Amino acid sequence: DGGITQSPKYLFRKEGQNVTLSCEQNLNHDAMYWYRQDPGQGLRLIYYSQIVNDFQKGDIAEGYSVSREKKESFPLTVTSAQKNPTAFYLCASRGQNKQKYEQYFGPGTRLTVT
Amino acid sequence: AQSVTQLGSHVSVSEGALVLLRCNYSSSVPPYLFWYVQYPNQGLQLLLKYTSAATLVKGINGFEAEFKKSETSFHLTKPSAHMSDAAEYFCAVSDSTGGFKTIFGAGTRLFVKA
Repeated sequence: DGGITQSPKYLFRKEGQNVTLSCEQNLNHDAMYWYRQDPGQGLRLIYYSQIVNDFQKGDIAEGYSVSREKKESFPLTVTSAQKNPTAFYLCASRGQNKQKYEQYFGPGTRLTVT
Repeated sequence: AQSVTQLGSHVSVSEGALVLLRCNYSSSVPPYLFWYVQYPNQGLQLLLKYTSAATLVKGINGFEAEFKKSETSFHLTKPSAHMSDAAEYFCAVSDSTGGFKTIFGAGTRLFVKA
């Protein structure tokens, strides 16, 4: 079955450590996205990529980094510079690079930093 | 700039009652509108979308939404609530001025009482 996988489902880290969240899709989609979700705030865009080897900052990119070396993969690194990293992180993809097409979401990774 | 406002962060209905979740949008050009549903600790799933065809859009699980340009609204309805409808619902908008971004509302959590 085609879809988006995110691993792990739950992740715990100590403050000051970098951590990388995995996102893989087998939908052959060009565009991929990372969102952060906090209670009562909806989804906020961190980074997005329209094509391999290219990505753009979203609304809250500070403290995060990404890479897009393969079409199927779009890993997100939460660096120690991110002041409030504890959140639910969602990866999404979209097949057509047109706004009328919906995004497909992975199951999410809940990151807790203490 | 695009924006989405969901009226009511929490809505409670009795099983079998009408579900009405409100969404108003702002867009300087014709929008594309989406409703997504999210169950606890899961990703988002598309319920339905408006892409400038019929103004009344039918989705999965008996949900539908009507695009009203004069009211800049895209409210989500279901005639009879079921316990399994309890979840968080997100309205989202995208258009050609926003690049490849989709803007999400803050979400409305639906509670269904037996």
